[in-house]
Amino acid sequence: GDSVTQMEGPVTLSEEAFLTINCTYTATGYPSLFWYVQYPGEGLQLLLKATKADDKGSNKGFEATYRKETTSFHLEKGSVQVSDSAVYFCALLRGIQGAQKLVFGQGTRLTINP
Amino acid sequence: GAVVSQHPSRVICKSGTSVKIECRSLDFQATTMFWYRQFPKQSLMLMATSNEGSKATYEQGVEKDKFLINHASLTLSTLTVTSAHPEDSSFYICSARRGAGRTTEAFFGQGTRLTVV
Repeated sequence: GDSVTQMEGPVTLSEEAFLTINCTYTATGYPSLFWYVQYPGEGLQLLLKATKADDKGSNKGFEATYRKETTSFHLEKGSVQVSDSAVYFCALLRGIQGAQKLVFGQGTRLTINP
Repeated sequence: GAVVSQHPSRVICKSGTSVKIECRSLDFQATTMFWYRQFPKQSLMLMATSNEGSKATYEQGVEKDKFLINHASLTLSTLTVTSAHPEDSSFYICSARRGAGRTTEAFFGQGTRLTVV
């Protein structure tokens, strides 16, 4: 079945460091791909998404490119901040219209130290 | 973005009692809502899909008699944990879907931390 695999955390970086969180997926067809962020004590928020191959999603300095050839959707940010500390989830949307479901990766906890 | 409100944010209940969690889409109509369970340091596990006016569709392994889901209107879905036990303690998150096809977007509630003592 469809699945999402993220790099294991936790990830700890210093402020202004470069961030990469790897995400690969297994799916039939070409699902839409998402990154969600969960700040402490809160629900998930959509960070960015891409709906077709070679699309680049971006938001708040984060970017991810839909790579069909490597079935990947790695999250990157050039210079992280303390406020970026959160859990990040990669997800894909599977199923036919009217019966679509999100499939999440296991999440990667990111801690940014000042 | 759209707002999904989940209530309560935290609840502590005694073993054997029932707890109801509400999920509301505040500024859009959601024909479909989802209920997830999140274990510590783990991903979200989809429990059930709730469609307005019809019975919820439960994922394999989720007890429908224990986790009662009602989607009474286009803006409200409820999850009732019946006869709660300590192993039901978890973080429950609802999601409401807006749109369809590749333009669909899911909005999440802030979650409910359930502790059964």
